[in-house]
Amino acid sequence: GAGVSQTPSNKVTEKGKYVELRCDPISGHTALYWYRQSLGQGPEFLIYFQGTGAADDSGLPNDRFFAVRPEGSVSTLKIQRTERGDSAVYLCASSLGEGGGTYGYTFGSGTRLTVV
Amino acid sequence: AQKVTQAQTEISVVEKEDVTLDCVYETRDTTYYLFWYKQPPSGELVFLIRRNSFDEQNEISGRYSWNFQKSTSSFNFTITASQVVDSAVYFCALGSGAGSYQLTFGKGTKLSVIP
Repeated sequence: GAGVSQTPSNKVTEKGKYVELRCDPISGHTALYWYRQSLGQGPEFLIYFQGTGAADDSGLPNDRFFAVRPEGSVSTLKIQRTERGDSAVYLCASSLGEGGGTYGYTFGSGTRLTVV
Repeated sequence: AQKVTQAQTEISVVEKEDVTLDCVYETRDTTYYLFWYKQPPSGELVFLIRRNSFDEQNEISGRYSWNFQKSTSSFNFTITASQVVDSAVYFCALGSGAGSYQLTFGKGTKLSVIP
């Protein structure tokens, strides 16, 4: 697609439930990133995929968070046993190669997750 | 460890005024990259500029200009003749060393341009 697509745009869930957030990167972008943005804060890194594998998952806050990218394109961020503190905007980004200085990133509009 | 500080939480200016958004960064790496992103109310992060640590040349793009000063670890952003459409939250970010793909963002500066 023309940009990075994230669905749903908004998700409200009850505490303790399981949620999945989807990211569809720009076609051909091999690198994919998930960030989390809490209210009034800048985005914080969660995980980086190069192709199908998670090259760096050091930003995942705990084992309730998991992400997959089985075919090297679409990625799903999964959160188990959601807590109110998980409420945030979850941003996805993709880049042609490993991002940072070489390629830069394109971000999606995010999924706003609210845990009640 | 990397750190980005945007000391200005909110700024309000009247349309057509110039405004400078400050960014100070910390890193021990000699190779690093600095970014500015714009986040309008829609939520999407819009890329504005990327600079690498070896290029201190200042840059101008239309009404936007950036001043990179390694001596003070600053990468400030100036909007000339501000417009209402410039109202947004602006983030400065740093990617450094072997993990330059992992961006460290500041807390952002909310700019309101009043007509």
